[in-house]
Amino acid sequence: EPEVTQTPSHQVTQMGQEVILRCVPISNHLYFYWYRQILGQKVEFLVSFYNNEISEKSEIFDDQFSVERPDGSNFTLKIRSTKLEDSAMYFCASTPGDAQPQHFGDGTRLSIL
Amino acid sequence: LAKTTQPISMDSYEGQEVNITCSHNNIATNDYITWYQQFPSQGPRFIIQGYKTKVTNEVASLFIPADRKSSTLSLPRVSLSDTAVYYCLVGELIVTSTLTFGKGTMLLVSP
Repeated sequence: EPEVTQTPSHQVTQMGQEVILRCVPISNHLYFYWYRQILGQKVEFLVSFYNNEISEKSEIFDDQFSVERPDGSNFTLKIRSTKLEDSAMYFCASTPGDAQPQHFGDGTRLSIL
Repeated sequence: LAKTTQPISMDSYEGQEVNITCSHNNIATNDYITWYQQFPSQGPRFIIQGYKTKVTNEVASLFIPADRKSSTLSLPRVSLSDTAVYYCLVGELIVTSTLTFGKGTMLLVSP
């Protein structure tokens, strides 16, 4: 069964540094999402992306965050100048379209020191 | 968005049937009910989705009464590997409808 893959599985970064989290959505999917889950808390929506532009974003997704689909397969989340509170699991998800469930990757654990 | 309420935790034993009920009194006409499963350090995994009556797949069944104000996820003959958090989500099945996760139900299956 096709899967959403995310790399790296664990990223450790110093506070203030930039990080890029990578995702390869399922190949025929057209809609992409990033969510995050702080340890012990709920899964929270960050941003959705379609046709090379952001469709919707949450209050969490401020100016330090950006997303990009640099080629036909990758979907990235960049966090500029990371903060301690950015430490969380970051999940990428994708769906082929309406009436289809979102499929999630297994996430990248981001640890900010 | 319709608010959902589910038990915080449930305990079961291997081989038993487990039913997790979710309340969604304010469900809208266009809303569907979707259940996800999440293991520690993994992403949520889609289990089942429905609009009304009963839906069954190879993993679970979903029962939705006529008023759609609640739904029940039924897991037949659970095993230890079914220990996970189960989330009930309610919303439109359109790509612009982002998923809103609650705290879910932590199911613990014991030998």
